[in-house]
Amino acid sequence: NAGVTQTPKFRILKIGQSMTLQCTQDMNHNYMYWYRQDPGMGLKLIYYSVGAGITDKGEVPNGYNVSRSTTEDFPLRLELAAPSQTSVYFCASEPGTGFEKLFFGSGTQLSVL
Amino acid sequence: AQSVTQLDSQVPVFEEAPVELRCNYSSSVSVYLFWYVQYPNQGLQLLLKYLSGSTLVKGINGFEAEFNKSQTSFHLRKPSVHISDTAEYFCAVTTNYGQNFVFGPGTRLSVLP
Repeated sequence: NAGVTQTPKFRILKIGQSMTLQCTQDMNHNYMYWYRQDPGMGLKLIYYSVGAGITDKGEVPNGYNVSRSTTEDFPLRLELAAPSQTSVYFCASEPGTGFEKLFFGSGTQLSVL
Repeated sequence: AQSVTQLDSQVPVFEEAPVELRCNYSSSVSVYLFWYVQYPNQGLQLLLKYLSGSTLVKGINGFEAEFNKSQTSFHLRKPSVHISDTAEYFCAVTTNYGQNFVFGPGTRLSVLP
């Protein structure tokens, strides 16, 4: 099993550009999450989804958008990139009870210059 | 809302010495607690979790943690560390409302030869 796959692994954006971070899982998990990781700050939840067609904001949603058209895919869209969005982004999934372990992707390192 | 504190941002320790990484949480409802490990350039992996039952939880790689409700703590311990344990460790909490893991800021464990 591939688990949770994120692409790209690295990206450099110019201020004002847009991009989509891709996340796919092949475990038929209902719950999917997007986190950003800043040094010394741990992980902050951006958006999450409890199933196809259902998404909700996390702690730091501003500047981001998500969609969940299928169980497998949960892309994160950055519109009008800003230097404050320089971070490492992790996608994660779990079966759907809310209490089980999270399966993480390997991350996307994004720099906005 | 719940929160997680990891008091030590960095813990250096010599190989084969014991280590304790501290985690405290705050919540107005019952919580479920997790420790994750992040090796360099990788996503997070589950070390162990406490959902209910015995307050002493054993995880992978020889780690264990003890849930102390009165002190709202979930400290991680290992009696003898190896160089390969060098990583960042995150404590996380979720409530019985599920869906939103809250992560601590992380503790960087450096095992020295």
